[in-house]
Amino acid sequence: SQQGEEDPQALSIQEGENATMNCSYKTSINNLQWYRQNSGRGLVHLILIRSNEREKHSGRLRVTLDTSKKSSSLLITASRAADTASYFCATGEWAGSARQLTFGSGTQLTVLP
Amino acid sequence: DAGVTQSPTHLIKTRGQHVTLRCSPISGHKSVSWYQQVLGQGPQFIFQYYEKEERGRGNFPDRFSARQFPNYSSELNVNALLLGDSALYLCASSLRQGEFRLKDEQFFGPGTRLTVL
Repeated sequence: SQQGEEDPQALSIQEGENATMNCSYKTSINNLQWYRQNSGRGLVHLILIRSNEREKHSGRLRVTLDTSKKSSSLLITASRAADTASYFCATGEWAGSARQLTFGSGTQLTVLP
Repeated sequence: DAGVTQSPTHLIKTRGQHVTLRCSPISGHKSVSWYQQVLGQGPQFIFQYYEKEERGRGNFPDRFSARQFPNYSSELNVNALLLGDSALYLCASSLRQGEFRLKDEQFFGPGTRLTVL
C-alpha cells in the first residue's frame, strides 16, 4: 500500500509560474523525502526534511512539513520546462531490519514553454 | 564517480520465463534495495540487501528472489513471469543498511524496463 499520496495527480503550468505539490502520509515519520523522475527513468533525490523541521529550502525548491496534519508540500518557484517530470514523496519505514522507502503515486508536472 | 548502474536497460520476455536483472551500487555503498514501479504508480519496495544478506522484504511472492555479491553488486531474479510483472525495476544503493539516520536517502539507478508478453 502507498504511504504517501500526492495531490494533484497532474499539474500543468506555464514557465515562470510556481508549482505546488502536496503529499499526505499515514503513520508517524522520522523524515520525508521528495524525489523526481523524468519519463519513467530513475529517481533523483531532491530534498529530505526531518520530522522536527517545518520548512526547508534548496535552490528553487521549498518543502514544508506539518506532522500534526501528516502532510508535506513541495514548491518549485520560477518553473522551467526542464522541471517537467513526476514528483514523488517518500517516507522511510522499517521492513524487517531494512529501511525501505514507501512512495506515493506521484504528481506529474508539465511546464509549458 | 559512477552512480548506480543497472543492466539491461530494456528486456522483453514471455509468460513463464525467468529473468535476471543486475545492479551495481555506488562505490562504497554496501546496501542495495530493489523496487518495482508499475506504470502510473510509485515504486514499491521488493528487497533490501546489506552485507550479502537479505535484511527486509516487501509484499512480493516467492517468485522474486535476489542476492548480493562480495563486491556489493546485486541480482534480482523473477521466475515464472506473469504479465503483471511488466514494470520498471529500480535499484537503489545507500551507505548504511537500515540504521536510522537523519540522512536516509537512497540513490537510484536508471532502471530496467521489463515487458512480459
